[in-house]
Amino acid sequence: DGGITQSPKYLFRKEGQNVTLSCEQNLNHDAMYWYRQDPGQGLRLIYYSQIVNDFQKGDIAEGYSVSREKKESFPLTVTSAQKNPTAFYLCASSIASGLKEAFFGQGTRLTVV
Amino acid sequence: RKEVEQDPGPFNVPEGATVAFNCTYSNSASQSFFWYRQDCRKEPKLLMSVYSSGNEDGRFTAQLNRASQYISLLIRDSKLSDSATYLCVVNGPNYGQNFVFGPGTRLSVLP
Repeated sequence: DGGITQSPKYLFRKEGQNVTLSCEQNLNHDAMYWYRQDPGQGLRLIYYSQIVNDFQKGDIAEGYSVSREKKESFPLTVTSAQKNPTAFYLCASSIASGLKEAFFGQGTRLTVV
Repeated sequence: RKEVEQDPGPFNVPEGATVAFNCTYSNSASQSFFWYRQDCRKEPKLLMSVYSSGNEDGRFTAQLNRASQYISLLIRDSKLSDSATYLCVVNGPNYGQNFVFGPGTRLSVLP
């Protein structure tokens, strides 16, 4: 089945640690996105990539980093510089033009302990 | 002003009711428009794309008014399973071809 897969579903991080969230898609989409959602809030864009080996900062990129070495993969690293990382992280993909809908993974719920 | 604004909600309606959601967007260069639904603690899922001519899918009707920069979603004969948060989404070159999400409107359909 074609789709977008995020792992892990739940992640616990100690303060001061970096953690990496995985996002893989087999939809042959050029564009991929990372969003953060806090309880009762909307989605905020962290990073996006319209093509392999290129990515751009979104609205809340500070404390996060990404790479796009393969079309299928867009991992997100939450660094120790991110002061309030506890949130629900959503990865999405779409065709590059944005004229068709984005498809989402099931999300990763990150908690700092 | 936010890029995409929606009714603040929540909406609590009885089963069988008709409910309307409103959304406005700030940038007239926006090209594509969508309604997503998001269940509690789940990922957003596409409900329907919104076309200039308006479109209908069963009990759901979406309308777009480009002149007023306004999008609507109408749900007829509400079901308990319609309870969710409804997200208005726009995309366009003005946003670097990114999807910009409204804050969502929560709907609870009551028995």
